[in-house]
Amino acid sequence: AQSVTQLGSHVSVSEGALVLLRCNYSSSVPPYLFWYVQYPNQGLQLLLKYTTGATLVKGINGFEAEFKKSETSFHLTKPSAHMSDAAEYFCAAAGYSTLTFGKGTMLLVSP
Amino acid sequence: DTAVSQTPKYLVTQMGNDKSIKCEQNLGHDTMYWYKQDSKKFLKIMFSYNNKELIINETVPNRFSPKSPDKAHLNLHINSLELGDSAVYFCASSQGLAGGRSEQYFGPGTRLTVT
Repeated sequence: AQSVTQLGSHVSVSEGALVLLRCNYSSSVPPYLFWYVQYPNQGLQLLLKYTTGATLVKGINGFEAEFKKSETSFHLTKPSAHMSDAAEYFCAAAGYSTLTFGKGTMLLVSP
Repeated sequence: DTAVSQTPKYLVTQMGNDKSIKCEQNLGHDTMYWYKQDSKKFLKIMFSYNNKELIINETVPNRFSPKSPDKAHLNLHINSLELGDSAVYFCASSQGLAGGRSEQYFGPGTRLTVT
């Protein structure tokens, strides 16, 4: 079984600032890890995923995440926030059966 | 072309009614899912089907009955609707065996409101 914890239900940044969204997981098997983004009134869209191999994963829209096994973390970062990045972000972990989501972090971007 | 589509997008109904939500994917995927997103945005798997066969049933009340007529469609029928069923329901699909490890493609969601 796996569980996912996202620290902070809301994160506020200024446009151009660094974005850091935190995700920690627990899993009884080596997990696959995902970040999804949900724009208002839309479905979820995959940003990036970690399976095996390189621990720094690059995704769409300039986002990246680093898998740190020792810290059981998979934090999402972006060097410079855009207004269009404002959305709900979900971290998810998969063992061999289901995909388990964290409770989401709302990213707010101010001008 | 929409990859995963759901109908209807909005559904408002009264307690005790029976309703259905339809999902279709044109990605040629083998596996389809239903998720429930509650008012706090928490997403939880309900069901998973692989090639029309039920694989995952996550302790969902038996008022909820998924039906997969073919591998491109997964419908959700809900009997005797209750207030607590109000949520956004997402359909998703992925390639390969049922499970979380394949990238899942989500539909736009169906917002169900039970009054």
